[in-house]
Amino acid sequence: QKEVEQNSGPLSVPEGAIASLNCTYSDRGSQSFFWYRQYSGKSPELIMFIYSNGDKEDGRFTAQLNKASQYVSLLIRDSQPSDSATYLCAVNDNNDMRFGAGTRLTVKP
Amino acid sequence: DAGVIQSPRHEVTEMGQEVTLRCKPISGHDYLFWYRQTMMRGLELLIYFNNNVPIDDSGMPEDRFSAKMPNASFSTLKIQPSEPRDSAVYFCASSLPGWEQYFGPGTRLTVT
Repeated sequence: QKEVEQNSGPLSVPEGAIASLNCTYSDRGSQSFFWYRQYSGKSPELIMFIYSNGDKEDGRFTAQLNKASQYVSLLIRDSQPSDSATYLCAVNDNNDMRFGAGTRLTVKP
Repeated sequence: DAGVIQSPRHEVTEMGQEVTLRCKPISGHDYLFWYRQTMMRGLELLIYFNNNVPIDDSGMPEDRFSAKMPNASFSTLKIQPSEPRDSAVYFCASSLPGWEQYFGPGTRLTVT
């Protein structure tokens, strides 16, 4: 059984702080990794993807991948109240996409 | 592009009735996925298609669930007969091979 694990939260950070979201996965054959954001009552939307070990930055978001440790993370710098949402980690192996349960993030003004 | 289109957006039905959910993927996407999301179980993959062919239906919970993709622009997920425990939000998503999935707005199903 391929597993994707995330802390369910809630994770609460003050506005302007760095939010750190973590995800581990069980399948070493996984090839691509995605972070989706889901606002309450809405569908998941992609915010970042990463395929190679290391860091990938896009604006205030940085995805980090460590395949040896089977670990992927998402950092959100200068967190804003509008970042409050559930963040889903997804791991893809030959189109078998598995989602974590999501981490609920609250950014307090 | 209009994105992934799902209908209906909301469905309320009585236990035992047949429910049909519909999805139109993004044009050109080879893969189509059906998910179910609940508070208890999170986002679960039910089935996915590649070029209209079902590839993996191991997530389909029971024989009451069936899915079809008669052509590249249309898919259905049918529940017959429906039960209260089927109440959830059902998402359809589409993608190119190996790339990110784009989700539709979802269908919120309530079975009373």
